[in-house]
Amino acid sequence: DIVMTQNTLSSPVTLGQPASISCKSSQSLVHSDGNTYLSWLQQRPGQPPRLLIYKISNRFSGVPDRFSGSGAGTDFTLKISRVEAEDVGVYYCMQATQFPQAGYTFGQGTKLEIK
Amino acid sequence: EVQLVESGGALVQPGGSLRLSCAASGFGFSNYWMHWFRQAPGKGPVWVSRISDAGSDTYYADSVKGRFTISRDNAGNTLYLQMNSLRVEDTAMYYCARTLTRGVVDFWGQGTMVTVSS
Repeated sequence: DIVMTQNTLSSPVTLGQPASISCKSSQSLVHSDGNTYLSWLQQRPGQPPRLLIYKISNRFSGVPDRFSGSGAGTDFTLKISRVEAEDVGVYYCMQATQFPQAGYTFGQGTKLEIK
Repeated sequence: EVQLVESGGALVQPGGSLRLSCAASGFGFSNYWMHWFRQAPGKGPVWVSRISDAGSDTYYADSVKGRFTISRDNAGNTLYLQMNSLRVEDTAMYYCARTLTRGVVDFWGQGTMVTVSS
């Protein structure tokens, strides 16, 4: 099974400052079709997950351009250029490359707090 | 506007059954693969099951295989999850979600809570 591991943010982030969240997979997420099915989702308190980024770096419709994704193979990063109050929540990476053998698997989540 | 509205969650005893529904609107439901995910309190999401647009292909997580059945009614724009032999560890918020394209899950419903407890 693929294991997705995310970092923990060491402290609350100051409003207007950048934040970076990393995600590492135990196996390459490059699919045989050449795509890498790595997404980033945001879950605000009391809300369902919301898609932010898909296939490493494609921003979903309506997502502010302060969110960006990068990476390749087994190492991926979500960056928020200037954190805003509404960005509070938990961020998950999710892989879909190994479906159906391994289902869709998520990182354990990274909590973003604002100070 | 894409809308997914789950219902059917309840408190049920271990070994019991429940059927969840997900009413879809605002998009061509019959053209999309659909999923069920679940999220236990304080934990991350977990994929449960996926069904093809026509309903002919289904996939399940090992933890629910043989106990849960995903199905859909394209005429009624509704997704279902039949859950049998429920266990305490099935306690979670259950979400239906849409597949935009291969490997991309773009919209999630608000969820329905299932609690398995004696």
